[in-house]
Amino acid sequence: NAGVTQTPKFQVLKTGQSMTLQCAQDMNHNSMYWYRQDPGMGLRLIYYSASEGTTDKGEVPNGYNVSRLNKREFSLRLESAAPSQTSVYFCASSGTEVSYEQYFGPGTRLTVT
Amino acid sequence: AQSVSQHNHHVILSEAASLELGCNYSYGGTVNLFWYVQYPGQHLQLLLKYFSGDPLVKGIKGFEAEFIKSKFSFNLRKPSVQWSDTAEYFCAVNAQDSNYQLIWGAGTKLIIKP
Repeated sequence: NAGVTQTPKFQVLKTGQSMTLQCAQDMNHNSMYWYRQDPGMGLRLIYYSASEGTTDKGEVPNGYNVSRLNKREFSLRLESAAPSQTSVYFCASSGTEVSYEQYFGPGTRLTVT
Repeated sequence: AQSVSQHNHHVILSEAASLELGCNYSYGGTVNLFWYVQYPGQHLQLLLKYFSGDPLVKGIKGFEAEFIKSKFSFNLRKPSVQWSDTAEYFCAVNAQDSNYQLIWGAGTKLIIKP
């Protein structure tokens, strides 16, 4: 099992450009999450999807959109990138085992110039 | 609202020193507690977790944590650290009535001097 995979690993965008970050999991998990990680701020939840067909905003959703394409895939879109979106983005998934542990992908390092 | 506090943002220790990283949470109900570790340039991985039973839980690489319900704490410990423990450590909490969304501490950067 690959676990949680993310593409791309690195990306540089100019202000105003758009892009989609891809995430897929092969653990048959219902829930998937997108976080951003900034120095000294821990992880902040952007959007999550509790099940296929549903998405909800997290703590910092502005400037982002998501799509839960199917049970395996959950994408994050930046429609018009801004320098404030320079960050490391992590996708995670969790199943329904008792502790709802989250499993993380390797991350995408995004720089917006 | 739930919150998680990690007391130290940076910790520097010498090899073989003992480690304790503090984590406190604010929530009165039943919680699940986690410590994740992020080694330089890598993604987050689970170090250990508590969801029921013995409040002293053991994780990978010799780490352990103790859940003290009365103190709302879940401190991470290791008796003798190694240079390879250099990493950032995150405490996180979830609960049933918040749909098991993880609430994260800000992280503690641990540097072990060889």
